[in-house]
Amino acid sequence: KNQVEQSPQSLIILEGKNCTLQCNYTVSPFSNLRWYKQDTGRGPVSLTIMTFSENTKSNGRYTATLDADTKQSSLHITASQLSDSASYICVVRTFQKLVFGTGTRLLVSP
Amino acid sequence: ETGVTQTPRHLVMGMTNKKSLKCEQHLGHNAMYWYKQSAKKPLELMFVYNFKEQTENNSVPSRFSPECPNSSHLFLHLHTLQPEDSALYLCASSQATGEAYEQYFGPGTRLTVT
Repeated sequence: KNQVEQSPQSLIILEGKNCTLQCNYTVSPFSNLRWYKQDTGRGPVSLTIMTFSENTKSNGRYTATLDADTKQSSLHITASQLSDSASYICVVRTFQKLVFGTGTRLLVSP
Repeated sequence: ETGVTQTPRHLVMGMTNKKSLKCEQHLGHNAMYWYKQSAKKPLELMFVYNFKEQTENNSVPSRFSPECPNSSHLFLHLHTLQPEDSALYLCASSQATGEAYEQYFGPGTRLTVT
């Protein structure tokens, strides 16, 4: 069964600290993996997309990694800011279908 | 802003009401989608339209009726809903439906069924 599991479900960190969010998937065959950021009251916005051959990709303070062998991805946030408070959703594509994780809710505290 | 707008942003309706959700995209895309987002659940794809034609219906109850008059507009007509239908309804669009095309999401309509 195609599934995407994210951990932790929620996380509170202090402003300025780093954090790492995890995504494990059983989706097959694999096409690509995206990390989305969803602010409260808004729709998801894509942060990064990773294909099978990519191990690391950065977007400002966000760095995503992909290990296609172990079917794991992580999203690392450096020097967190209050505006990073949001839900982060891992989405894996197989053929024409997207498989969504339930998301990690991040709260950055001052 | 992503170029996808949704109205209304919030909607409260009784189980016997009829209402419609509207989505408009200003990106020149050809594919549009309806998703349901419930608390602590993954996004659920409801309908897919490609060039105004419905290409996917994921076993959605008939009390949800989509309409796509053109590639820029998508509606979701609601009637005799149940309280468990309360959720955030997201519209998305993409250039096409293939794997290379990113979906752009609207802000959603928060629906409460009383």
